[in-house]
Amino acid sequence: GAVVSQHPSRVICKSGTSVKIECRSLDFQATTMFWYRQFPKQSLMLMATSNEGSKATYEQGVEKDKFLINHASLTLSTLTVTSAHPEDSSFYICSAKKVSSYEQYFGPGTRLTVT
Amino acid sequence: QKEVEQNSGPLSVPEGAIASLNCTYSDRGSQSFFWYRQYSGKSPELIMSIYSNGDKEDGRFTAQLNKASQYVSLLIRDSQPSDSATYLCAVIGNRGSTLGRLYFGRGTQLTVWP
Repeated sequence: GAVVSQHPSRVICKSGTSVKIECRSLDFQATTMFWYRQFPKQSLMLMATSNEGSKATYEQGVEKDKFLINHASLTLSTLTVTSAHPEDSSFYICSAKKVSSYEQYFGPGTRLTVT
Repeated sequence: QKEVEQNSGPLSVPEGAIASLNCTYSDRGSQSFFWYRQYSGKSPELIMSIYSNGDKEDGRFTAQLNKASQYVSLLIRDSQPSDSATYLCAVIGNRGSTLGRLYFGRGTQLTVWP
């Protein structure tokens, strides 16, 4: 199989605080992980591409200083939402690409609510 | 910018029928195609990948690819109420800065009624 986990699954935080979301590939190595955001009834929006050991590549319009991504190992990438605001409330989903494959497997997602 | 178009639906079929989901893509050089299923409030789940022209079958699912027509489809045979979900067609970038990233269609919402 190809299992990707995310933690936490749900988080509520106060405006101005930072939140870290972890994405782990449990049974395979992933040189590349992707971070998406999805608002209700809308399509997935790619935020950034994370390659192990190098800086993430952010999509146009995504603030790299606000959404900090670290991909320190072949099985772990983290997304930190800094100084969160209510408009950052969304469903954040990571995916991981197997080495030598084009298939991507998604984590279960993290529902962030900023009050 | 790669474009992936799907018939947005919603598509409604009775239990036991065949559900047909369609997708077209703009980049003639695309090589890898995927179908994901997304239940409401959940993340996408990979159900099929297809790389060569023709049909690929996996259980009740059949993916069909026609690169000349830039068309990929998903057939679900013997549809079940549990198949009710949004189905996302995705094409992978194959060069330069797009390498490895997925381009999604807007999804087709399928409802299978008992």
